[in-house]
Amino acid sequence: NAGVMQNPRHLVRRRGQEARLRCSPMKGHSHVYWYRQLPEEGLKFMVYLQKENIIDESGMPKERFSAEFPKEGPSILRIQQVVRGDSAAYFCASSPNRESGELFFGEGSRLTVL
Amino acid sequence: GENVEQHPSTLSVQEGDSAVIKCTYSDSASNYFPWYKQELGKGPQLIIDIRSNVGEKKDQRIAVTLNKTAKHFSLHITETQPEDSAVYFCAASIGSASKIIFGSGTRLSIRP
Repeated sequence: NAGVMQNPRHLVRRRGQEARLRCSPMKGHSHVYWYRQLPEEGLKFMVYLQKENIIDESGMPKERFSAEFPKEGPSILRIQQVVRGDSAAYFCASSPNRESGELFFGEGSRLTVL
Repeated sequence: GENVEQHPSTLSVQEGDSAVIKCTYSDSASNYFPWYKQELGKGPQLIIDIRSNVGEKKDQRIAVTLNKTAKHFSLHITETQPEDSAVYFCAASIGSASKIIFGSGTRLSIRP
């Protein structure tokens, strides 16, 4: 049973470009969470999604960031017009249901903005 | 607001000794408290968790205790080994939405 798959593992963008990070949850999981981790810091909650629904986006910056989890295909975290401060590791986690609480993390996507 | 505080930020112990990491949380409705281990360049891995209906849970060399009255929980690692060196994160569920928020992490180093 494959784990949570994230791609790309590393992404380099210039200021002003767009970054798209993809996450395929574990088989059978319909709940996806995105977290951001700055170097030497903890994991900051960004957004919690279910298939075709955003459940909680209280951690998402108001501008330039968006997330989706369509009926078919992976969850996408999209960052428009990237700035240097967006450089971080972005982790996706999946869960089988809302009640479980147990999160299974991917290996992360490391975004570097030049 | 929602907050999980974790101490210490760094911890160095002699191989074979015990390590203890402590966390406090703010949301009285929190009912799930996992602990994650993160190795360099990897994603966090769940190592143990506890729910609010129990006060202690143990799995081999790892144990977690929970004091709901005081809103704090702790991770105990006994007979530490070099492979225990990593960053450890505590976390807590928030409200009914099952959002999980994390502490700031503890970098544990095991001295040979």
